Amino acid sequence: DIVMTQSPTSMSISVGDRVTMNCKASQNVGSNVDWYQQKTGQSPKLLIYKASNRYTGVPDRFTGSGSGTDFTFTISNMQAEDLAVYYCMQSNSNTFGAGTKLELK
Amino acid sequence: QVQLTESGPGLVHPSETLSLTCTVSGFSLTGYSVYWVRQPSGKGLEWMGRMRYNGDTSYNSALKSRLSISRDTSKNQVFLKMNSLQTDDTGTYYCTRVRMGIVDYWGQGVMVTVSS
Repeated sequence: DIVMTQSPTSMSISVGDRVTMNCKASQNVGSNVDWYQQKTGQSPKLLIYKASNRYTGVPDRFTGSGSGTDFTFTISNMQAEDLAVYYCMQSNSNTFGAGTKLELK
Repeated sequence: QVQLTESGPGLVHPSETLSLTCTVSGFSLTGYSVYWVRQPSGKGLEWMGRMRYNGDTSYNSALKSRLSISRDTSKNQVFLKMNSLQTDDTGTYYCTRVRMGIVDYWGQGVMVTVSS
């Protein structure tokens, strides 16, 4: 099975910060990585698909990049409403990273 | 608009079978695949299995021996059955719509507690 190693596990951030998190796949998954946001008490929501494509209606402060085994997700100007847990998922065989929790500093 | 609604018992006893239903609207099950994803309380997401648009199924290898996914296209429903439940199966179970390999819609989830 393909393992997605997501880092860091959590981050303490301030509004306005640039936030970067990573996912590393245990084998080549091409560009088949998506990123989801899950706020407390809610279902996950798709933000980025196929590594770098912003889903409909997603603000442009959210970006994704990478291919092969290394993927990065960035929030360029952190807003209070972005506090959530973020998950990567490889869609070749469907496994999730363990999540990155964003908390206010 | 696209909607997915999970339903099922909130409480299941250990060793029993879990039966969940995902009722969809706003799209056809013969045009889109559906995944089941679960989330143990306070933990991360786990892909369980899928019902493809053509009726094919596939399962997480860790759950395959206990899991079955089926559908009734006339009722716009996808079903999950998992046997031999244990306490670590407690959590929220989601059904999701999949378009071209991308999970674009999620249900609100159904909480399942495994307890005697």
